[in-house]
Amino acid sequence: KAGVTQTPRYLIKTRGQQVTLSCSPISGHRSVSWYQQTPGQGLQFLFEYFSETQRNKGNFPGRFSGRQFSNSRSEMNVSTLELGDSALYLCASSSTLDTQYFGPGTRLTVL
Amino acid sequence: GQQVMQIPQYQHVQEGEDFTTYCNSSTTLSNIQWYKQRPGGHPVFLIQLVKSGEVKKQKRLTFQFGEAKKNSSLHITATQTTDVGTYFCAGQRGSQGNLIFGKGTKLSVKP
Repeated sequence: KAGVTQTPRYLIKTRGQQVTLSCSPISGHRSVSWYQQTPGQGLQFLFEYFSETQRNKGNFPGRFSGRQFSNSRSEMNVSTLELGDSALYLCASSSTLDTQYFGPGTRLTVL
Repeated sequence: GQQVMQIPQYQHVQEGEDFTTYCNSSTTLSNIQWYKQRPGGHPVFLIQLVKSGEVKKQKRLTFQFGEAKKNSSLHITATQTTDVGTYFCAGQRGSQGNLIFGKGTKLSVKP
């Protein structure tokens, strides 16, 4: 089985811009979770989608949003980028919301 | 809100020495999971503990879940250079709650 894929792998944006990240889960996995990883804050949960519905949400501002499509692929969007949004964004898929299978991540740099 | 604290933040050991990382939750957990992230990589699932007092072993790694299901530990016997990386615990409350990750313990092993 192919693993979780994320595109793009690297992204450079400037403050005020918006960005869309994509995640394709493992085939058959219906749950997709998004995490932000920074050296200072560690792995922080953004949100989780299951069957196109947001099931859980972390404590991030409304600038962070996501969606899931009928084929379980997911996107997350960050609007009005701030310098502090620079991070590794990890997507993880799961068949039962226990074991998380992580993708390689998208490294976002905001200048 | 629910927090998962992990200590120590860093651990430097000589190859062959033992290593332990500890995880504590402010609330009772339904399960706890452990992940390993190699430098430059993404978190990889190691194990899940569900039962109170559960102990599981994977070769040189021993995982424990506390009787109150609020704490957990990972012990590595006779570390090797391949053990280098950051070890994260992640707690889940309820069957559909999101995972709350500890900030991780970064292990370095001197050959």
